[in-house]
Amino acid sequence: GIQVEQSPPDLILQEGANSTLRCNFSDSVNNLQWFHQNPWGQLINLFYIPSGTKQNGRLSATTVATERYSLLYISSSQTTDSGVYFCAVGVGGATNKLIFGTGTLLAVQP
Amino acid sequence: DTGVSQNPRHKITKRGQNVTFRCDPISEHNRLYWYRQTLGQGPEFLTYFQNEAQLEKSRLLSDRFSAERPKGSFSTLEIQRTEQGDSAMYLCASSLLHGEQFFGPGTRLTVL
Repeated sequence: GIQVEQSPPDLILQEGANSTLRCNFSDSVNNLQWFHQNPWGQLINLFYIPSGTKQNGRLSATTVATERYSLLYISSSQTTDSGVYFCAVGVGGATNKLIFGTGTLLAVQP
Repeated sequence: DTGVSQNPRHKITKRGQNVTFRCDPISEHNRLYWYRQTLGQGPEFLTYFQNEAQLEKSRLLSDRFSAERPKGSFSTLEIQRTEQGDSAMYLCASSLLHGEQFFGPGTRLTVL
């Protein structure tokens, strides 16, 4: 089956720093989503981005489907950005089930 | 806000007992998905419904698991004869056809 790998696995930042998270996938996909999982386990939608670039405040994402990767940019990080970031790819044709990546654990220190 | 809701949020049970979880999707969404997440891992697909029809089940879904969506609205996931290995967070998501999936807060199951 498809492999979805994220890097780095862990990241520690000082408040105000910028970061780039990467998601590589091994096969063609229907779509791609980025999530932030908070400490209570809630998955918060960040981007639905099958291709191209989107921005939402301090966050932006780019997916290059032909090269099978996506990037999530976090600028001017805040302590509330801490948590696990997952990318997930939609596969299976009509099913569109999500296959989640390995995750990046981000800790933003004050 | 009418996001995805799940009940209960937490469930502690003894091995061998049956448990049932409920998911209420976003009202206009015709697709409903169940995922399971164990500690330190990303969620894994279990099954999905389009309206009331269950269209795919993962090999993770043993015969002790059953899911229903009787009227194409809410869904239930039942686990019979629970085992300690069933301890996990059970997540529900909904979407329009092929669209962005939105997740509920999850039900955290602990089997003693």
